[in-house]
Amino acid sequence: DIVMTQTPLSSPVTLGQPASFSCRSSQSLVHSDGNTYLSWLQQRPGQPPRLLIYKISNRFSGVPDRFSGSGAGTDFTLKISRVEAEDVGVYYCTQASQVPYTFGQGTKLEIK
Amino acid sequence: QLQLRESGPGLVKPSETLSLTCAVSGGSISSSSSYWGWIRQPPGKGLEWIGTIYYSGSTYYNPSLKSRVTISVDTSKDQFSLNLSSVTAADTAIYFCARLTYALGFDYWGQGTLVTVSS
Repeated sequence: DIVMTQTPLSSPVTLGQPASFSCRSSQSLVHSDGNTYLSWLQQRPGQPPRLLIYKISNRFSGVPDRFSGSGAGTDFTLKISRVEAEDVGVYYCTQASQVPYTFGQGTKLEIK
Repeated sequence: QLQLRESGPGLVKPSETLSLTCAVSGGSISSSSSYWGWIRQPPGKGLEWIGTIYYSGSTYYNPSLKSRVTISVDTSKDQFSLNLSSVTAADTAIYFCARLTYALGFDYWGQGTLVTVSS
């Protein structure tokens, strides 16, 4: 199984400031078709997960442009350019390049 | 807008079978680009993929659960189902159904349903 490791586990951020989350996979996520199926999910308190970013850097429909994704191979990053109150929650990276699909343990975004 | 909704008992006794159904609306479960999956989340913990099914009936299961999991699909009702046998307290979790597309990953999720395993 591909293990997804996220750091930090908790990220206190001041409103209006940037935030950055890291995700590392135990092996390359490059699929045999050449794509990298790494996505980022946001889970607000009491809500189901919501897709933010797919294939490393593509924003899903309706996702604000303050969210951006980058990376390649085994190292990936989610950035929020200016944190807003509604961004509070847990952020998960997940891979669909290889079965079983796996998730990181999540990074909790809190407001200072 | 695609919507998914889970339904089923909120309480299951140890050693029994957990059964949940996910109803899909706003789109067809027979879409050629869509797979349908179950993911669970123990209270206060992270996400675990259980398994995925295609409308044709092809399934993919997490090896850690494979011996106890069956996922099936009913295209006439636009719904798919999860059966998890021989449950224990460790199976207590919020169970989500979700759509999976190769390009996007898990892009649409149900609200989730809490299933507690207890006598």
